[in-house]
Amino acid sequence: TQLLEQSPQFLSIQEGENLTVYCNSSSVFSSLQWYRQEPGEGPVLLVTVVTGGEVKKLKRLTFQFGDARKDSSLHITAAQPGDTGLYLCAGEDSGYSTLTFGKGTMLLVSP
Amino acid sequence: DAGVIQSPRHEVTEMGQEVTLRCKPISGHDYLFWYRQTMMRGLELLIYFNNNVPIDDSGMPEDRFSAKMPNASFSTLKIQPSEPRDSAVYFCASSLILAAYGYTFGSGTRLTVV
Repeated sequence: TQLLEQSPQFLSIQEGENLTVYCNSSSVFSSLQWYRQEPGEGPVLLVTVVTGGEVKKLKRLTFQFGDARKDSSLHITAAQPGDTGLYLCAGEDSGYSTLTFGKGTMLLVSP
Repeated sequence: DAGVIQSPRHEVTEMGQEVTLRCKPISGHDYLFWYRQTMMRGLELLIYFNNNVPIDDSGMPEDRFSAKMPNASFSTLKIQPSEPRDSAVYFCASSLILAAYGYTFGSGTRLTVV
């Protein structure tokens, strides 16, 4: 089983601050995905990164896939209360159709 | 499309009772997944189906758990008998051909076994 470690586990910041959360593994993934989960709902896909070194931007969110395709980071610029939620990374095993999820980073953005 | 639909949203049952969770995937999605989420263990894959056929059930914790997919638009996850340690949020998700396209999750069923 390939494990994904996410850090920090919990992050509480003020509106307008920047932050970065991390997703690390000792295994190589074919692709890596980031999801956001709000209370009482299922995770919602934000982005998929496939190529080592790839950088994708989604408004104030910047996602990066490590060169060796073992790790990823999510950077949020000028966080807003609407960014509050559980951020999950998920790695796709090569040759499989399943995703292995990290335990997530719980982000709380206060006004 | 209405997305992945799960029912019920909440279930409270007594230990020893049978529990059945239901899922309607997105039309046209070939894969269906059942996950369980707890604070301690995060999201765990229980079982997944491809074109209604169970492919990997190695995540099913015990024989008390069973899952079926009688057709492309319906799946059930059954726990019999239920135990307090089964309390968790159970998610159903569906996807197109490959995981790289991402999963679409339902809103989950919060199960409490007392």
